[in-house]
Amino acid sequence: EVQLVESGGSLVQPGGSVRLSCAASGFTFRNYWMSWVRQAPGKGLEWVANINQDGSEKYYVNSVKGRFTISRDNAENSLSLQMNSLRAEDTALYYCTIDTSGYYTFDYWGQGAQVTVSS
Amino acid sequence: ETWLTQSPGTLSLSPGERATLSCRASQSVSSSFLAWYQQKPGQAPRLLIYGASRRATGIPDRFSGSGSGTYFTLTISRLEPEDFAVYYCQQYTTSPPEVTFGGGTKVEIK
Repeated sequence: EVQLVESGGSLVQPGGSVRLSCAASGFTFRNYWMSWVRQAPGKGLEWVANINQDGSEKYYVNSVKGRFTISRDNAENSLSLQMNSLRAEDTALYYCTIDTSGYYTFDYWGQGAQVTVSS
Repeated sequence: ETWLTQSPGTLSLSPGERATLSCRASQSVSSSFLAWYQQKPGQAPRLLIYGASRRATGIPDRFSGSGSGTYFTLTISRLEPEDFAVYYCQQYTTSPPEVTFGGGTKVEIK
């Protein structure tokens, strides 16, 4: 059974930093693209970043470029998102997701990690 | 950047009725990279349709997807009580690599 478990969510002041982690199990982690998708309170879904199987390709939504960094550790079956220079508009539930279809979709989702940026 | 516009914003229907949800793209989208998701309150989204018309594993056949180019639809042939939720379309473009979601359509009980 595929499981994705996020951790690291917190309340942080504007300009601060947070590191999210996602522990993956139930599948061969190193074989798949991984992504972060977020959802602001009461709002829709927004893709944040993705990373290819060996970590050599990383892509970001424009609004987080230069502030967020996605990474993975295939030996530990884990995905991370380092979030710096946080803004109020980054407040959201952050989901770890995986594309197993090969069609650039989000087939499995974690339960999410809440990041709140507020003074 | 490719924008996705979903309509209507809210669809009020009764169980047993047919639901047709629309997703319009600001530029042509490859059918291979158009997907639909369902999200219920307090839950993560669930993949329903990928490749515009392929049902994901375990998705009932009352859900179907169609379309090409800039216009796609998700049809629920006969609404079951558990189908009342928010639905999102999503696309992927290769150059530059980006993913966008539509704003969502809420299907509510009339």
